[in-house]
Amino acid sequence: QVQLVQSGAEVKKPGASVKVSCKASGYTFSGFHIHWVRQAAGQGLEWMGWINPDTGDTNYAQNFLGRVTMTRDSSNSLVYMEMIRLTKDDTAVYYCAKVRYYNSGRFPQLDYWGQGTLVSVSS
Amino acid sequence: DIQMTQSPSSVSESVGDRVTITCRASQDIMAWLAWYQQKPGKAPKLLIYSASLLQDGVPPRFSGSGIGTEFTLTINNLQPEDSAIYYCQQAINFPLTFGGGTKVEIK
Repeated sequence: QVQLVQSGAEVKKPGASVKVSCKASGYTFSGFHIHWVRQAAGQGLEWMGWINPDTGDTNYAQNFLGRVTMTRDSSNSLVYMEMIRLTKDDTAVYYCAKVRYYNSGRFPQLDYWGQGTLVSVSS
Repeated sequence: DIQMTQSPSSVSESVGDRVTITCRASQDIMAWLAWYQQKPGKAPKLLIYSASLLQDGVPPRFSGSGIGTEFTLTINNLQPEDSAIYYCQQAINFPLTFGGGTKVEIK
């Protein structure tokens, strides 16, 4: 069965960086883009960007340009999201999710999600 | 960016009732709309994709309709386990954007 399993909760100080992993299983890893979405406590969903696990191509939301990097380790079906220069406003649950349509970056609708990783930023 | 506006922000209905949630897009998104259900402490779950197609394993009491800028999620025969927040998401342009959410409570 399809699973996305994320790394555990992180506590960071302002100015630090964090790297969250997302391990995929149960499907063809290279065939489906992975997106990252975050959610602050009690708030809605904010899209961060995507990575194509096949090519490594990425596309980031404007709000995260220069601070977020998404990478993949195809041999281990892992995707990573790294964020630098953390502030308190980055305290949120971060989700990875795969798209529904095979081998297409268009019209992404997210059919399987990781369990979420809480990143807390506090001095 | 495409703005997604959901209404109502919350609704409270009884078991067996019908619930209708509306999502409006700030521009034409054709049928590129998804609906998600999120329960407390859990990741969102895809219910409906391409505006009206039921995701595998989702009970048929959930249905979606609409095209262009106005969309509807309907829950027929409301069940206690349907208590959750529901989000719409447009999938035609980047950045992907979500509605603000609708909280469904059971009376």
